[in-house]
This record gives sequence, C-alpha cells and structure tokens, in this order.
Amino acid sequence: GAGVSQTPSNKVTEKGKYVELRCDPISGHTALYWYRQSLGQGPEFLIYFQGTGAADDSGLPNDRFFAVRPEGSVSTLKIQRTERGDSAVYLCASSLSGRRSSYNEQFFGPGTRLTVL
Amino acid sequence: SQQGEEDPQALSIQEGENATMNCSYKTSINNLQWYRQNSGRGLVHLILIRSNEREKHSGRLRVTLDTSKKSSSLLITASRAADTASYFCAETSGSRLTFGEGTQLTVNP
Repeated sequence: GAGVSQTPSNKVTEKGKYVELRCDPISGHTALYWYRQSLGQGPEFLIYFQGTGAADDSGLPNDRFFAVRPEGSVSTLKIQRTERGDSAVYLCASSLSGRRSSYNEQFFGPGTRLTVL
Repeated sequence: SQQGEEDPQALSIQEGENATMNCSYKTSINNLQWYRQNSGRGLVHLILIRSNEREKHSGRLRVTLDTSKKSSSLLITASRAADTASYFCAETSGSRLTFGEGTQLTVNP
C-alpha cells in the first residue's frame, strides 16, 4: 500500500515569502507528526495531530509556523515570512494512533527540502 | 532541542565487520527506538526496545538498553555496503519522538 507522501519534494523560496508544505498520511492513520531536520542533525519535533486537532504544538519554533489538518487526513504546514534559518528538510510521519497507552510505529515520508534564499 | 547524544558521530568500516553505535538519553523513557536514514530523507524504523527490556534482536541487529546509565547501543553484525546510512536513536516521550544527532555509518566494499 501507499506510504506517507509529501509534496513538493523540494521548495526554493525567497526570504520573506510564504510557503505551504503538504503531507498525505497513510490511510486510516489518525496520528500525524511534523518534524524538521537541519543538515547534520536529527529530526526535531514540531507538532502532532490526533485526528483534526493539534494535540501537541510545543515544538513549533515561533508564530510564523502553523499547521492544519482540517479533515483528519491531509495536513499542511504553513510558514509565513520565511527566514534563511528555516531552510531544512521537513518530515511528516503518521501512525495508527498517537495515544500513550500503546506504542504505534511512526512511518515517515520522504520529506520536503526547503531552501530559503 | 536534541535529546540524546550518539557516538561515534561517524564510523567507517569494511564490509563484513561489525558496527556498534551508542546513544545516551537524558530523561526517563517508555521505550527507545532506532531509525535508519539514507541520503537525508526517509527515516525507516529498525527496532524498538522497551524500558523493561535489556536486549533485543532483529536479524543482523542487536540493541541493548541500560536504563541505569541512560544509554543504548545498536550493533549491526556482518555489515554490508548497503548498510551505509545515518542511524538515529529516538526516545519516545509522550507521543513524540526525540532524536539524537545520529551516527553516519560508511561500510566500504
């Protein structure tokens, strides 16, 4: 079956512009996660959705970053007034459930490489 | 912020040799996982070890966990050139994963 997909695979933008990154999770997965990975580092958590709601957005670095998941499936990560420091690979993952009562493996997409010039 | 530290940061070995990577973490864990990543994309889950387990095997992979030292190790036996990748440990805290900085493994044919 299809895995997690992310579009675009690469995005180049200019400082100050607005960008949207899309994630299509595995069908039936209720939990969706966004991570950001800078060069030479491990991924850093940004936000986690359980269904349509953001259950944990404590990883978002500032109010320029926002994410939505209006129908509990596809999610969009939105970055306003992009800065050069936002350049990174943005990874999306999904799992059957994010509930703490049991572990559910997170399946990662290939990522979107964002470059802010 | 990054949770754990991994060492070595880079490891280069010959095909057929074993590769050992270590990870330290800072808080209490429910479980710890290891992931593999090729070319800066596409993390693949390798193995999970629960906090009440000390050792786990999966094929050529062996993971150990020492909760008293807050450390874990990943051993890849009989390495192959195709094992060349970055390897990350990740702590499960709540529902999120907190990754270490990773070890870049190069297996030379």
